[in-house]
Amino acid sequence: QVQLVESGGGVVQPGRSLRLSCAASGFTFRDYGIHWVRQAPGKGLEWVSFILFDGTNKYFADSVKGRFTISRDNSKNTVSLQMNNLRAEDTAIYYCARERGIFAVASDAFDFWGQGTMVTVSS
Amino acid sequence: SYELTQPPSVSVSPGQTASITCSGDNLGDKYACWYQQKPGQSPTLVIYQNDKRPSGIPERFSGSNSGNTATLTISGTQTLDEADYYCQTWDTSTACVFGTGTKVTVL
Repeated sequence: QVQLVESGGGVVQPGRSLRLSCAASGFTFRDYGIHWVRQAPGKGLEWVSFILFDGTNKYFADSVKGRFTISRDNSKNTVSLQMNNLRAEDTAIYYCARERGIFAVASDAFDFWGQGTMVTVSS
Repeated sequence: SYELTQPPSVSVSPGQTASITCSGDNLGDKYACWYQQKPGQSPTLVIYQNDKRPSGIPERFSGSNSGNTATLTISGTQTLDEADYYCQTWDTSTACVFGTGTKVTVL
């Protein structure tokens, strides 16, 4: 069965960095794009970033552009989100989610989600 | 940037029909999808490509998308449908966009 497991969350001071990982299993990882979505406490869903199945294209929300980077290792079935210069407003649960369409070059929908990892930015 | 607007809340009696709207400029020209999120859980996809249901999603969930509005309809609403619902689309300039979210209360 499809499984996505996030890790790397924690408490970090403003201005510092954190690296999240998403480990995938149960499907042909190299065929699917992966998204990161976050949810601040008591708030709605906010899309963060998307990396295509082959890693050739990457997309970012304006709120994280220039601070966050995304990468994938198709040999290890993992996607990473490097978060630099963190701010209080980055505090949220971070989910990774699979793009529904195989070999998709744009987003259609997210068909499987992980359980999320909490990131708290506080001094 | 592209925005999607939903009503903050919708109330429905058990067995009745709930309709949740999602508004955005020319949304009907794009694909819309919908997610259900219950407290403490990850979101679940309930509708994709405007009106398609993933495997395992009950038939009482249906969707449509035309003009500036996408709509999620829950027919014969059950208490277990009580949750937050989010629409989402892909815009060529903004990339992925989520709606503001709607809390559905069944009472």
